[in-house]
Amino acid sequence: DAKTTQPPSMDCAEGRAANLPCNHSTISGNEYVYWYRQIHSQGPQYIIHGLKNNETNEMASLIITEDRKSSTLILPHATLRDTAVYYCIVRVNDYKLSFGAGTTVTVRA
Amino acid sequence: SQTIHQWPATLVQPVGSPLSLECTVEGTSNPNLYWYRQAAGRGLQLLFYSVGIGQISSEVPQNLSASRPQDRQFILSSKKLLLSDSGFYLCAWLQGQPTNYGYTFGSGTRLTVV
Repeated sequence: DAKTTQPPSMDCAEGRAANLPCNHSTISGNEYVYWYRQIHSQGPQYIIHGLKNNETNEMASLIITEDRKSSTLILPHATLRDTAVYYCIVRVNDYKLSFGAGTTVTVRA
Repeated sequence: SQTIHQWPATLVQPVGSPLSLECTVEGTSNPNLYWYRQAAGRGLQLLFYSVGIGQISSEVPQNLSASRPQDRQFILSSKKLLLSDSGFYLCAWLQGQPTNYGYTFGSGTRLTVV
């Protein structure tokens, strides 16, 4: 599996967009980029995933660079409830995902 | 709709005691089932997964075992708990690949071995 690199933490103002970066320079052509988040003392929650094209759903947008070596998860209007650890994972499929340290996002009022 | 039940929510057990954590899934059939563990301040570590009744794959050598006696039931066990078994245990299911909804996790069991 390709390794991912995420900043350990970031702050965001409530109501503003939160842009979470992820580097995956060794990604292979058939590997997807998955994003999950984990609110304190809960199980992780699926957010979004993509292969090549940008993706958007009701929770977030995923922007994948043309060379696929990095991606950005965008929370368009962060709320206090978006405070969580965000995991970027790269795999061929979502069987047996491994969750690393992720980025701790703190949304401040 | 699909739901996943995991219990108990918290558990304090003495070293050397047995363990049994149960996970059941409703509203789906033949799901892939997973047990993860999260130590304090760490990421999630995959312990076991199962693609069907009686089929268990272990990801890491450890003091734990898993069983899948029924299609929608997944059990995590230990004969003798160690202090290092403390952590947050999560059951998850997955159906289809690639999915539009990803894993669905249970609410977790926080185990403290004393």
